[in-house]
Amino acid sequence: DAKTTQPPSMDCAEGRAANLPCNHSTISGNEYVYWYRQIHSQGPQYIIHGLKNNETNEMASLIITEDRKSSTLILPHATLRDTAVYYCIVRGGDNFNTDKLIFGTGTRLQVFP
Amino acid sequence: EPEVTQTPSHQVTQMGQEVILRCVPISNHLYFYWYRQILGQKVEFLVSFYNNEISEKSEIFDDQFSVERPDGSNFTLKIRSTKLEDSAMYFCASSGRLGNQPQHFGDGTRLSIL
Repeated sequence: DAKTTQPPSMDCAEGRAANLPCNHSTISGNEYVYWYRQIHSQGPQYIIHGLKNNETNEMASLIITEDRKSSTLILPHATLRDTAVYYCIVRGGDNFNTDKLIFGTGTRLQVFP
Repeated sequence: EPEVTQTPSHQVTQMGQEVILRCVPISNHLYFYWYRQILGQKVEFLVSFYNNEISEKSEIFDDQFSVERPDGSNFTLKIRSTKLEDSAMYFCASSGRLGNQPQHFGDGTRLSIL
């Protein structure tokens, strides 16, 4: 089972920031938080990942709380093309024997004009 | 930007037939994966592959499934005797290393079993 909890759906107006929350209260010290998205039935697209520091790239920002039990993915200026299902995934482990990604049901983000 | 490519994009096969799904991972990646997604359901892990052997497999990956890296560029998933319930999107992924490098996915092969 997925180790994360996300709201099933969110709406966002085009041009506004989309803030997608994720709870991962059982995350262990060397596990990373990954974010992917899936548009229609395309392959999951990597967005960003982090361990404990906040991260930013050309697609998004990732804010991880100090206790690492939750995080927020921020799309600073959402466009219609950002409409997708967003997955928050915890990955890694003590010895990295388990490297698979365990997908939950994600958050369906609908960006509207 | 390098990407994972999968062929064919859509495969239609009669039940009981063998099917091979093909993937070309990103060229300098060392870890390879197959996932599947039945219509309307979650993406599910099937198998991971490193150093020419399976490193982990799920319960779904039973004896009818096999994976192979026949040359330096291709990574294949074979289903020996397909069943109706094998109908799904099959995604290949690759990564440069474990843990702190992302897995990058192809756009998938839609497998339809008749």
